[in-house]
Order: sequence, then structure tokens, then C-alpha cells
Amino acid sequence: DIVMTQSPDSLAVSLGERATINCKSSQNILYNSNKKNYLGWYQQKPGQAPKLLIYWASTRESGVPDRFSGSGSGTDFTLTISSLQAEDVAVYYCQQFYSTPLTFGGGTKVEIK
Amino acid sequence: EVQLVESGGVVVQPGGSLRLSCAASGFTFDDYAMHWVRQAPGKGLEWVSLITFNGGTTYYADSVRGRFTISRDNRRNSLYLQMNSLRTEDTALYFCAKGAAAGTGGHFDYWGQGTLVTVSS
Repeated sequence: DIVMTQSPDSLAVSLGERATINCKSSQNILYNSNKKNYLGWYQQKPGQAPKLLIYWASTRESGVPDRFSGSGSGTDFTLTISSLQAEDVAVYYCQQFYSTPLTFGGGTKVEIK
Repeated sequence: EVQLVESGGVVVQPGGSLRLSCAASGFTFDDYAMHWVRQAPGKGLEWVSLITFNGGTTYYADSVRGRFTISRDNRRNSLYLQMNSLRTEDTALYFCAKGAAAGTGGHFDYWGQGTLVTVSS
């Protein structure tokens, strides 16, 4: 099974400042035939279902603000919120969809400092 | 507009059975894989099961394999999860999620609001 490890578990960032979340997979999730990283990022606000933010590690889902960006390849990935807004308070999860069982990271809780 | 509406969550005793349903609309249901994902109270997300677009192939997490069965009815645009031999550790909010691909290899682009399953005596 591919283990997804997120860091930190939580972080507090001032409004307008940058938030960075890391995600590491225990195996390479870059598929050589199409050069795509099988990695997604989801946002879950309190009391709500998760929402897709980023897929293929760096492709922003339609309607997602451009302050959210994803980067990385192979085994190391990052979600960046360039300028934190109050509505970004949530738990963020990475997920690999390279192989079953599909696995999520443990989540990173983002709060306002 | 894509909509996924789960139902069937209740309180059930350990060892009992339950069937969850997910009604889908707003997309061509039989073009996409579908998933169940669960979240125990105060915990993270755990993928449970996947069924390919035509129901031909299914996959399960080790924690539920042999006890849960995923199925779909493409005529009714519906997804199901039959849960048998329930354990207290199966207590969770169960989400239905649409895959972005017909089979494996796709992210989850839409999620339902979830249905709560509580296993308790």
C-alpha cells in the first residue's frame, strides 16, 4: 500500500500570508507513460464534504481560486495557499490515485493566526 | 449540476447489516467509476471501495474486504454499499464520490454530503 504522509498536522497563518502544506508518498506516483502524477488535494471545511482543489498534482479544478496551487513530482508534493483568506480555514488532504487501495494523507488543519 | 445524495445510514448493532444508497444526477452515470469513502468521528478520510463504470470490477480496502459489497444500477443512476458483519470501528460518515475516470486512476471530482452509520449496542 502507498502511504501518504502530510506535514505539518496543523498550521496557523496570518491573513494574507502564505500557507504551505507538504505531502510525501511512500512510492513514486508518477506514471511514466503519460508523465502525470496521480495526486489530488482536497479541502474539507467544518461540517462539509471534501471538495476537490487540485488534481494531477498541479491542475487546479474549475472554479478554485488561483491562490491555491500544487507542485511536486514523484514522491514529494506541496499545496500552497499564496494569500490566506478567512474562508480557507479547513482541513486539507492529499490523496494518491495511482493504485488501489487509494490512500489519503492524515490531513493538515489550517487556521488563522 | 452534479448531485450525489446518500441515504441509509442508521444506528445498528455490532454484527448487523446495512445497505447504503447514493442517488446520482447531473452527469452520465455509466461513464464513470464511483467510490465510497468514510470518515470516523473526528478522524481523517478513508477510501472504502471502488466500482468501475460498468460494474465489471470492484476494489476494496483491506478493512472491509469480505464484509462490504459495492454495486451499482446504471439504469437507476444509483450506487450501493451492502455492509455486513458490522463492527464498532465501522462507525463513520460514509460519502459517495464520483470518480473522474471510468476505472481506477481518477481523482474524486464530486462528493455527496454523507450518511452517518453508527454501530453500537
